Amino acid sequence: KNEVEQSPQNLTAQEGEFITINCSYSVGISALHWLQQHPGGGIVSLFMLSSGKKKHGRLIATINIQEKHSSLHITASHPRDSAVYICAVGMRYGGSQGNLIFGKGTKLSVKP
Amino acid sequence: GAVVSQHPSWVICKSGTSVKIECRSLDFQATTMFWYRQFPKQSLMLMATSNEGSKATYEQGVEKDKFLINHASLTLSTLTVTSAHPEDSSFYICSARDTPASSYEQYFGPGTRLTVT
Repeated sequence: KNEVEQSPQNLTAQEGEFITINCSYSVGISALHWLQQHPGGGIVSLFMLSSGKKKHGRLIATINIQEKHSSLHITASHPRDSAVYICAVGMRYGGSQGNLIFGKGTKLSVKP
Repeated sequence: GAVVSQHPSWVICKSGTSVKIECRSLDFQATTMFWYRQFPKQSLMLMATSNEGSKATYEQGVEKDKFLINHASLTLSTLTVTSAHPEDSSFYICSARDTPASSYEQYFGPGTRLTVT
């Protein structure tokens, strides 16, 4: 079993829809990242959070430490949101110097 | 926000040759840089962690003599793929951190796509 699981693996939505991507993890963590990777490959860090909720524009990220679960929400989705969204966790114990463990990503396609 | 650049963005090389990839932090000093590899439709996998002025720490299964990492300054780390083979074709991504080891904030470079023919 992977230490970081994302669902769904693939998601197709119509423009304007509310989108939720989920991330569950099995290790104790110090922080969780949500990353965006566009078809060209470059990665953009969207959020880093260790508790509660963060909001940036149309994006909202929440985390429940007790349940070891995080969600990324996109409101009023747009075709330019089409990308792969990756959840990554920094382990609380072990790991090397703060390296991250990555989920396999959720491929989002927003149709106009 | 903090910016990390990589050069080149893509490279094609012949089997047996060596390729150097640069990772630069443009507006901050990176105490630690990470090198990741990503195969098609797979997650990023950490290859090694490098701290400025010291030897890199390689993850299990990564050949340190094949993937040479140099972190000679607080703004530059290089990854050299020596004697490249087609199986080394991949997307290589670096990230950098400017705060102590207790922080997990990382800034990612745009990646370098390597194709070995």
